[in-house]
Amino acid sequence: GDSVTQMEGPVTLSEEAFLTINCTYTATGYPSLFWYVQYPGEGLQLLLKATKADDKGSNKGFEATYRKETTSFHLEKGSVQVSDSAVYFCALSDNSGGFKTIFGAGTRLFVKA
Amino acid sequence: KAGVTQTPRYLIKTRGQQVTLSCSPISGHRSVSWYQQTPGQGLQFLFEYFSETQRNKGNFPGRFSGRQFSNSRSEMNVSTLELGDSALYLCASSLGFSSGNTGELFFGEGSRLTVL
Repeated sequence: GDSVTQMEGPVTLSEEAFLTINCTYTATGYPSLFWYVQYPGEGLQLLLKATKADDKGSNKGFEATYRKETTSFHLEKGSVQVSDSAVYFCALSDNSGGFKTIFGAGTRLFVKA
Repeated sequence: KAGVTQTPRYLIKTRGQQVTLSCSPISGHRSVSWYQQTPGQGLQFLFEYFSETQRNKGNFPGRFSGRQFSNSRSEMNVSTLELGDSALYLCASSLGFSSGNTGELFFGEGSRLTVL
């Protein structure tokens, strides 16, 4: 079945450091890929998405490129801020998978001032 | 536009009891999904409803059930609670999976259930 694997955390960075969170997936069809973010005490919210190969999703300085050849969707940000501290989830949705979104385990990011 | 509303936000139950959680989706959204979030298991898919029909179900025992009403509001029920059911239960609404719709989910803040 479909699955998402993302790097384990926690990830601890200093402010203005470069961030990469790795995400790979397996899917039988042609999924859409997402990054969701969860701030403390809140539900998840969409950070960015990409719907087909080579698409780049971007938002709030975060970027991720849909790489079909490597089945990856790594999240990057050039300069993190303390306010980026949160849990980040990679996810895929695939109609052939039966109307559900599959999430990775989540990666907790701590950014120190 | 109001977001996804989940009630109650917090609740404490004892083993053997049952609980019902409610979710009101964003206006116009006909798909509602439920997820269980725990520190050890991450986000686990429970079920998805669209127009009052359950279209998919995750790998949870029959103690977990749900339904959707004609106004798209959804409830989930857990009977005979166990300690391991303690979790954050998240509801998400969407326009549903269809041609041209990528299935983006809009989440509520969750219902945190503690089973003692």
